[in-house]
Amino acid sequence: GESVGLHLPTLSVQEGDNSIINCAYSNSASDYFIWYKQESGKGPQFIIDIRSNMDKRQGQRVTVLLNKTVKHLSLQIAATQPGDSAVYFCAGGTSYGKLTFGQGTILTVHP
Amino acid sequence: SAVISQKPSRDICQRGTSLTIQCQVDSQVTMMFWYRQQPGQSLTLIATANQGSEATYESGFVIDKFPISRPNLTFSTLTVSNMSPEDSSIYLCSVAFFGGTEAFFGQGTRLTVV
Repeated sequence: GESVGLHLPTLSVQEGDNSIINCAYSNSASDYFIWYKQESGKGPQFIIDIRSNMDKRQGQRVTVLLNKTVKHLSLQIAATQPGDSAVYFCAGGTSYGKLTFGQGTILTVHP
Repeated sequence: SAVISQKPSRDICQRGTSLTIQCQVDSQVTMMFWYRQQPGQSLTLIATANQGSEATYESGFVIDKFPISRPNLTFSTLTVSNMSPEDSSIYLCSVAFFGGTEAFFGQGTRLTVV
């Protein structure tokens, strides 16, 4: 299946728990950062973004935290649901739309 | 927003042949990009598709291997030339509007080279 050969870090949580997915980035020139969700057989889907001059941004059930001092980005998902199971990627971008992607994390939510 | 259609969605090709992937967008976009996602890995930018001129390639990618066309603001093609099994990947088209932060992705083309 889709999981064969995947070499990404994994995170397993129970339904209803909060999830925290972390990402270290290297490109300090990014104007903004984005979290994407990629389900099996699909392209990445935008979740939330944050400008490089911000340190926190909240969306519906998701919060992104940016720590530029240590070049770290995190995505917090509240009340995680089985439908949240996917691979999550962080990416740094410029105003030209060009993205540099991080490694990715496989999130598995158990009912 | 933008809706992106990629064709084909998947293909199995013989080594030594070439495959052209099409990307059609439902609106005029400023920027178009092509990414590669090797099995179990993250996405890597191949090139920026420039309208009416040669694409801008990232380090490690060359025009002879991955020729790209972009004749207008809504359409681009990526050709994977002289394929080998190492080219087996998902190839994704992405579009963005200048000054915006959201980049939209197609569903990808899953290529297997045998």
